[in-house]
Amino acid sequence: GESVGLHLPTLSVQEGDNSIINCAYSNSASDYFIWYKQESGKGPQFIIDIRSNMDKRQGQRVTVLLNKTVKHLSLQIAATQPGDSAVYFCAENTGGFKTIFGAGTRLFVKA
Amino acid sequence: DTGVSQDPRHKITKRGQNVTFRCDPISEHNRLYWYRQTLGQGPEFLTYFQNEAQLEKSRLLSDRFSAERPKGSFSTLEIQRTEQGDSAMYLCASGNTIYFGEGSWLTVV
Repeated sequence: GESVGLHLPTLSVQEGDNSIINCAYSNSASDYFIWYKQESGKGPQFIIDIRSNMDKRQGQRVTVLLNKTVKHLSLQIAATQPGDSAVYFCAENTGGFKTIFGAGTRLFVKA
Repeated sequence: DTGVSQDPRHKITKRGQNVTFRCDPISEHNRLYWYRQTLGQGPEFLTYFQNEAQLEKSRLLSDRFSAERPKGSFSTLEIQRTEQGDSAMYLCASGNTIYFGEGSWLTVV
């Protein structure tokens, strides 16, 4: 079946460096993508989203890139801080009500 | 606090008991969702409400699970005859872009 997946289960970066978290999706009908951050013991927190008619969207310290040709999504975090340590999920939506999540990538930020 | 609110945050119950979780969505949101999340996994869709109508149920939602949203505002998720495999975090979310609550942790012993 269709699924959202992630290339790496864990990512370790030095404080101050940029982080790139990757995600592959397989449903070509997906037209809306979201990144969530989840800290231990808390619910997922919305970070940024992008629709399929865009290939890049920027937020505060975060950028999402979408490559529909290879069905790839990435989240870039600039100047990574210790508070960015969390699990990051990409999620996809095909225009209906169901948002499907991948398994997540754990980001460790080394001081 | 105008976010999604869930209660209780933690519940420990004995196998075979019934449990109920409550969700208060963001007030102007018509859409409400329940997800389940186990350790190391992403959230899995359980069910969806548009106002008071339950429009979709996942196959994960066995007949021991029932969700309601009687007035199109708050929602409840009940699990009857709990099993150890029900231990998970139950997440409620609302909105077109879904915003999650902090979740309700269930431990079945």
